Amino acid sequence: GESVGLHLPTLSVQEGDNSIINCAYSNSASDYFIWYKQESGKGPQFIIDIRSNMDKRQGQRVTVLLNKTVKHLSLQIAATQPGDSAVYFCAENRTGRRALTFGSGTRLQVQP
Amino acid sequence: DAGVTQSPTHLIKTRGQQVTLRCSPKSGHDTVSWYQQALGQGPQFIFQYYEEEERQRGNFPDRFSGHQFPNYSSELNVNALLLGDSALYLCASSLEGTRSYFGAGTRLSVL
Repeated sequence: GESVGLHLPTLSVQEGDNSIINCAYSNSASDYFIWYKQESGKGPQFIIDIRSNMDKRQGQRVTVLLNKTVKHLSLQIAATQPGDSAVYFCAENRTGRRALTFGSGTRLQVQP
Repeated sequence: DAGVTQSPTHLIKTRGQQVTLRCSPKSGHDTVSWYQQALGQGPQFIFQYYEEEERQRGNFPDRFSGHQFPNYSSELNVNALLLGDSALYLCASSLEGTRSYFGAGTRLSVL
């Protein structure tokens, strides 16, 4: 069946370090991937997305890498700040499908 | 420009009762999707509404139903509540084919 899963449930990093959050997906038909950040008591907030015709996309302090060969994507956060502490979800979709499929999330803890 | 708004923010019900949750989409958005997020889990797709019709449904029983109004706002109804229905219910809106924006959710507790 299809699934989107994350390798690590909790990631603890020092303030100022770079963070890498990983995500695996199983459906080779997936062609659109999104990273969301969810803070306590809030809904998921869009961070960055990438389509399957790209390998890398950069935003402000964030980079998403997509490896279609091994069905893996990652979110890199540069110079991690305390405000980055949250749960991060990857989600996938594919052409013709309405629903986003989310992974179970990784909690990022930023230590001062 | 208001984002996606959901009401109420918190709700406590007992088993067997019925509940209605409400969502106002982001201005200009015509599509509303509902998700259920259990504690410690990722959101699970319930259904999506567009042009007042349900056009895709996830793996949820018929106890979960919805409606979309002409102004694009939406309601999620859950009948015969079970303890397992306790969750954060998220509404997401989008303009056809574009990025989804999520509301803060309604926290439903079933006792």
